[in-house]
Amino acid sequence: GAGVSQSPSNKVTEKGKDVELRCDPISGHTALYWYRQSLGQGLEFLIYFQGNSAPDKSGLPSDRFSAERTGGSVSTLTIQRTQQEDSAVYLCASSLGGKGQETQYFGPGTRLLVL
Amino acid sequence: GIQVEQSPPDLILQEGANSTLRCNFSDSVNNLQWFHQNPWGQLINLFYIPSGTKQNGRLSATTVATERYSLLYISSSQTTDSGVYFCAVEGSNYQLIWGAGTKLIIKP
Repeated sequence: GAGVSQSPSNKVTEKGKDVELRCDPISGHTALYWYRQSLGQGLEFLIYFQGNSAPDKSGLPSDRFSAERTGGSVSTLTIQRTQQEDSAVYLCASSLGGKGQETQYFGPGTRLLVL
Repeated sequence: GIQVEQSPPDLILQEGANSTLRCNFSDSVNNLQWFHQNPWGQLINLFYIPSGTKQNGRLSATTVATERYSLLYISSSQTTDSGVYFCAVEGSNYQLIWGAGTKLIIKP
């Protein structure tokens, strides 16, 4: 596609529910990244995929967070038993080779509100 | 880990003014990017600039890798330049480590 796309754009959920966020990277990009941005803050790294593998999961804040990537393309970030502190904008980025020293391109984000 | 500091945190200018935003980082880096986050939250790449100088229209950036800082220059600012400007550097496993941003408001 022309750019990174994410869905849904906005998600409102109740505390304790599970949510699934989707990212479609730029076609041909092997690397995919998930970040989280809380209101008024910079971005916080969550997880990185090279192809379908996740060599770095160090940023996931708890075991309620998981992510997968299939076919070297679409990725889903799942948050189980959501908490109010999970409210944030979840941003996905992709890059061509994933070996560093290259531009990361960002999607529009999913705004998650946990009531 | 690498620390990224941006200054100033906030900047209010009149349309037409020039500005300089600074990004300091605590260790040598292979990748440094400047982004503009518009009021709708979209992150837009401005520059990929691990070293040297680049220019794109009214914007230019310089990174002095040996002294661990980068500068973003905005000339003849317009109201559409408003938003938050982020500097991000590459950490281990290629993820970006972000500064807290400079919030720029351009008044008409």
